[in-house]
Amino acid sequence: AQRVTQPEKLLSVFKGAPVELKCNYSYSGSPELFWYVQYSRQRLQLLLRHISRESIKGFTADLNKGETSFHLKKPFAQEEDSAMYYCALRGNKLIFGTGTLLAVQP
Amino acid sequence: KAGVTQTPRYLIKTRGQQVTLSCSPISGHRSVSWYQQTPGQGLQFLFEYFSETQRNKGNFPGRFSGRQFSNSRSEMNVSTLELGDSALYLCASSLTADMNTEAFFGQGTRLTVV
Repeated sequence: AQRVTQPEKLLSVFKGAPVELKCNYSYSGSPELFWYVQYSRQRLQLLLRHISRESIKGFTADLNKGETSFHLKKPFAQEEDSAMYYCALRGNKLIFGTGTLLAVQP
Repeated sequence: KAGVTQTPRYLIKTRGQQVTLSCSPISGHRSVSWYQQTPGQGLQFLFEYFSETQRNKGNFPGRFSGRQFSNSRSEMNVSTLELGDSALYLCASSLTADMNTEAFFGQGTRLTVV
């Protein structure tokens, strides 16, 4: 069975602080993992995918197959990073975690 | 190019009625997926269609059904509505059904059942 777990519903940090949004997954095969973001009043959109190994808006995510994790990190949070973040897994279907609301305080 | 379009944007229905939601994918996209989004549950997978065939189905009762047409447009239907069906229904389209393909989301249809 496929499962994505985001343990934190809300993460509040101050501007300039490091950010780590946690994501753990369960899948018997080799999944593709993604982070999607939803800014206020905007559509859900792709932030990054693990296969690309890229940094988008200063965010990175490393796939740890041993720990079955795909945590999203950014060294210095900005106020404009405030949004809802969803970790997603593509096995035989694309499923999402329950999301973490990131609130960056000034 | 035009994004994923969902109609209508808002719906109010009473218990027991049925409803049909529509999704027009990005031109050229052949895969369409549907999700139910609620504050407590996040995005719950409903079903996925590719080239008019249902590829996968989530854990929803049979009251939830869908289809995809030859032009890739998709509809989902919910019969015998219940109060708990109140949610934002999101449609996402992808160019293919490959593992690493990006999903593009519509703005959703907000369904309220009273």
